[in-house]
Amino acid sequence: AQKVTQAQTEISVVEKEDVTLDCVYETRDTTYYLFWYKQPPSGELVFLIRRNSFDEQNEISGRYSWNFQKSTSSFNFTITASQVVDSAVYFCALSEFGATNKLIFGTGTLLAVQP
Amino acid sequence: DAGVTQSPTHLIKTRGQHVTLRCSPISGHKSVSWYQQVLGQGPQFIFQYYEKEERGRGNFPDRFSARQFPNYSSELNVNALLLGDSALYLCASGLAGISYNEQFFGPGTRLTVL
Repeated sequence: AQKVTQAQTEISVVEKEDVTLDCVYETRDTTYYLFWYKQPPSGELVFLIRRNSFDEQNEISGRYSWNFQKSTSSFNFTITASQVVDSAVYFCALSEFGATNKLIFGTGTLLAVQP
Repeated sequence: DAGVTQSPTHLIKTRGQHVTLRCSPISGHKSVSWYQQVLGQGPQFIFQYYEKEERGRGNFPDRFSARQFPNYSSELNVNALLLGDSALYLCASGLAGISYNEQFFGPGTRLTVL
């Protein structure tokens, strides 16, 4: 069965703190893709990153970094020096290999960055 | 470049009515997917269309149907509305319809069923 778990429902930090959002996934496929999306209050999901199951290299993009560990089925997201503009709901999602691009989303983590 | 557009932005219906939601993908994108997002939950996959053919269907009742037009725009139809259909309906477009493809989401249609 495919499943994505984001155990942290809400996180509140003060600006400039670092914060890590956890994502644990379940799949029987050996080829799959993991995504992170950001959903600000406006509601539109914004694509942040895609990772395939064969690439366990960590990735850094500015203040954002992602840690993919197949051994623990985790794909965690860290924001360094958080800013108020980072306040949003963040979703982790899984897509299994195939002819469809169906995304299986977690329940999301609401990040509130206080000034 | 224009992103994914959806109409209407908001909609209020009563139980038993029918609703049609519309989506225009990013120019050049041939895949459109629909998701339902109930308040406080992650989006749930409803349908995917690619080149006007259904590629995937989520676990939704037959009251939900969709189609894709020759210009790749899409409609989602929901019949016999229930209170539980109240949600944000998101449309996503992608270049191709396959699993590693990035998808770009529209702003959504907020449906309220009274």
